[in-house]
Amino acid sequence: GQQVMQIPQYQHVQEGEDFTTYCNSSTTLSNIQWYKQRPGGHPVFLIQLVKSGEVKKQKRLTFQFGEAKKNSSLHITATQTTDVGTYFCAGVGGADGLTFGKGTHLIIQP
Amino acid sequence: DAGITQSPRHKVTETGTPVTLRCHQTENHRYMYWYRQDPGHGLRLIHYSYGVKDTDKGEVSDGYSVSRSKTEDFLLTLESATSSQTSVYFCAISRGGRANTEAFFGQGTRLTVV
Repeated sequence: GQQVMQIPQYQHVQEGEDFTTYCNSSTTLSNIQWYKQRPGGHPVFLIQLVKSGEVKKQKRLTFQFGEAKKNSSLHITATQTTDVGTYFCAGVGGADGLTFGKGTHLIIQP
Repeated sequence: DAGITQSPRHKVTETGTPVTLRCHQTENHRYMYWYRQDPGHGLRLIHYSYGVKDTDKGEVSDGYSVSRSKTEDFLLTLESATSSQTSVYFCAISRGGRANTEAFFGQGTRLTVV
């Protein structure tokens, strides 16, 4: 079945440093979504990318979808303590239901 | 959040007992999902529904059953709970009216099987 790999599993950064998480799928995706989960909370939708090579920005967050639609990345510029949490990518292949990566835990040291 | 309520929020149960988790939505969305979340595994799809009485299996459906007799309610049942089913369970809906549009999650149910 479809697999979505996400790296790194954990990322420690100093506040103000940049952060990037990467997502790779074993199959071509129709779209990819990104979610954020705060500690003790539930996943919250951030964005969806549909087009090959698409780049979208939300303030300090930049999302990219690869040309082959098999990989994606989330980059946060100048991290803040409010960015703490786990970031998940979720791929949409064919069947119903999202296939989630295992997530990247972002830990920020003041 | 998208009018999704999960109940109970926390439950401790004994091995071998049946358990039912409820997901209730108020916005009449067609697609509903049950996921489980475990450390090191992320979120994995258990079952989903695409309408009243229309359900299908996900990646980790063994040991679970679901029912959807009304649009607003999606029930997840563990027929005979095992310790491996200790997890956090999330219900979600697809808001776009189609499968796999952005998902909105409930607050989660933390289930412990002892």
